[in-house]
Amino acid sequence: EVQLVESGGGLVQPGGSLRLSCAASGFTFSSLWMSWVRQAPGRGLEWLATIRQDGGETHYVDSVKGRFTISRDNAKNSLYLQMNSLRAEDTAVYYCNSGRSLGYWGQGTLVTVS
Amino acid sequence: DIQMTQSPSAMSASVGDRVTITCRASQGISNYLAWFQQKPGKVPKRLMSVSSILDGGVPSRFSGSGSGTEFTLTISSLQPEDFATYYCLQHSSYPLTFGGGTKVEIK
Repeated sequence: EVQLVESGGGLVQPGGSLRLSCAASGFTFSSLWMSWVRQAPGRGLEWLATIRQDGGETHYVDSVKGRFTISRDNAKNSLYLQMNSLRAEDTAVYYCNSGRSLGYWGQGTLVTVS
Repeated sequence: DIQMTQSPSAMSASVGDRVTITCRASQGISNYLAWFQQKPGKVPKRLMSVSSILDGGVPSRFSGSGSGTEFTLTISSLQPEDFATYYCLQHSSYPLTFGGGTKVEIK
């Protein structure tokens, strides 16, 4: 069974940093592109970043470019999102996703910037 | 960036109704379109990708069609468990972009 389990969310002050983690199991992690998507309270879905299987290619939405960094450790079956210079508008549930078309989702981790 | 325009943004329907949701891309995306369902307080779930390929376990009353810039999600006979918000996603090019969502409510 595919499982994606996010952790690392919490309350942070504006300008602060957080590192989200996503532990993957039930599939060959190193064979899939991986992504992060977020959803602000009461709002729609926003794609944030994607990383290639070997970590050699990454893509970001403009609103987080230069502030957020996606990375992965295939030996640990883990995906990460380093978030710096956090703003109030970054408050959201952050989801880890697998594949180019976001086939599997974790349960999400809430980040509150206040 | 490719903009995805979903319509309607909300709708009311009855059990048994045929429901159609449209997603329009600001430029051609071939068939690189996925549909997601999100129930209140729950994690989004992908229903289909590449416009019309249903994910495993998705009921056959769901279908997708379209290519290029116009796409539709159809629920042939709405069931109580289908009341949810639906999102389209273009995965043709970065940045990936979602439609604004369609909330399907009970009439």
